[in-house]
This record gives sequence, structure tokens and C-alpha cells, in this order.
Amino acid sequence: AQSVTQLGSHVSVSEGALVLLRCNYSSSVPPYLFWYVQYPNQGLQLLLKYTTGATLVKGINGFEAEFKKSETSFHLTKPSAHMSDAAEYFCAVSPYSSASKIIFGSGTRLSIRP
Amino acid sequence: DSGVTQTPKHLITATGQRVTLRCSPRSGDLSVYWYQQSLDQGLQFLIHYYNGEERAKGNILERFSAQQFPDLHSELNLSSLELGDSALYFCASSVSFTATARNTIYFGEGSWLTVV
Repeated sequence: AQSVTQLGSHVSVSEGALVLLRCNYSSSVPPYLFWYVQYPNQGLQLLLKYTTGATLVKGINGFEAEFKKSETSFHLTKPSAHMSDAAEYFCAVSPYSSASKIIFGSGTRLSIRP
Repeated sequence: DSGVTQTPKHLITATGQRVTLRCSPRSGDLSVYWYQQSLDQGLQFLIHYYNGEERAKGNILERFSAQQFPDLHSELNLSSLELGDSALYFCASSVSFTATARNTIYFGEGSWLTVV
């Protein structure tokens, strides 16, 4: 069975500081991994996804994530936080065979301090 | 704008009632997914349709049902509503049904359901 664990339900960083949102997964088959962002009163927007190939994935808005199979991790980073990055971030995993079996983590709320 | 359209955006109804949520997928997308987001359960997959046929079921209650019509729009029917059904219901769409590199799932902005 697949599962996703996001460490920290709330992360607060200063504007301009490094953003690091942690995600660990468990999967019995090679997974596809995703990060979604949800701004207030909006739907989920895909930030980036890992399917195959390069383990460092670059997404929108300056975010990137690295797939580390040995650590079963897919942490999301951004070198310099911006006020507009304040949102809820969801890590998700799905088996390569079925998009409908995507499992979401519980989410991490990112706050940016001026 | 993801291109996925959901109506209504907000809905308040009483316990025991029935409501219908509507979703229009992105142009060209054949798959429609329904998710429920609540504070205690997080984001839960409910059901997936592909080109009019049910492909997968998740944690969908028997009081809930869905369908996808020939024009590919989908409806989620919630009946005998309970207070605990209050949640944000998302529709999402994608081109295919497999999690391929090209098959990105796009989410609508959701329908807020409040049961009082």
C-alpha cells in the first residue's frame, strides 16, 4: 500500500530564506511523485512531478524537488521565499499505472514572515 | 485558471437533503476525478470516470453517486446529507487514466458544501 507523510503541518520562514518542505513516501511499486500547491480559496495547482529520469525536478515559481529513492523522500525546496509563496502544499504519490490511485499527504501550510 | 469548471462554488443545505455538484473538464480531457477535502480527513479520492465509464472508486459513501455524460461533463450527487458531509469537493480532469508523464491532473476550484 502507498502512503505519504509530510513532516510539519505548518512551516514558517522569513522572506528571502530557504524553503524546505519535507515529504516521505512508501510504495511497493515505482511511484510517480507530485507536489501541488493550494492558494486560499483556490483549487490545487501542480507545482512539479517526478515520473522517470532525472531525479532533480524543477517546477513552477522557482520550486524544485529531488527524488531520493534510498531515503524514500521527495522534499520540496525554494532558495528564496517570497510572500506570494504562502499557501498549503501537498505531496502526493501514485503508482505509475493508475492516475486515479493518487494518494495525497496531509498538507503543509507555508507562512512567510516579512 | 486550470480550465476545469465547477458549479456551484458555494452551497448551503440542510441535513437529509440532496445536492448535485457539476464539473466541466478541460477541453480534450476524457478523465474526471472527484475528491473530497475536509479538515479531519484531508484530501480523499472519491471516484474516477474515463470517457463515460467508471474506472475506479475510492472512499465514496453509498449515499454518494456520480456519472459522466456523453459530453464528458460530470455530476456528483450527494444524498441524505449529514453534517459530516460538509467539505470542499474538487473535480479534476486529465487526458488519460494512467499516471504517465503527460497525464497531468488539473483541479477545479472546488465546490464548498455546508450542511446545517
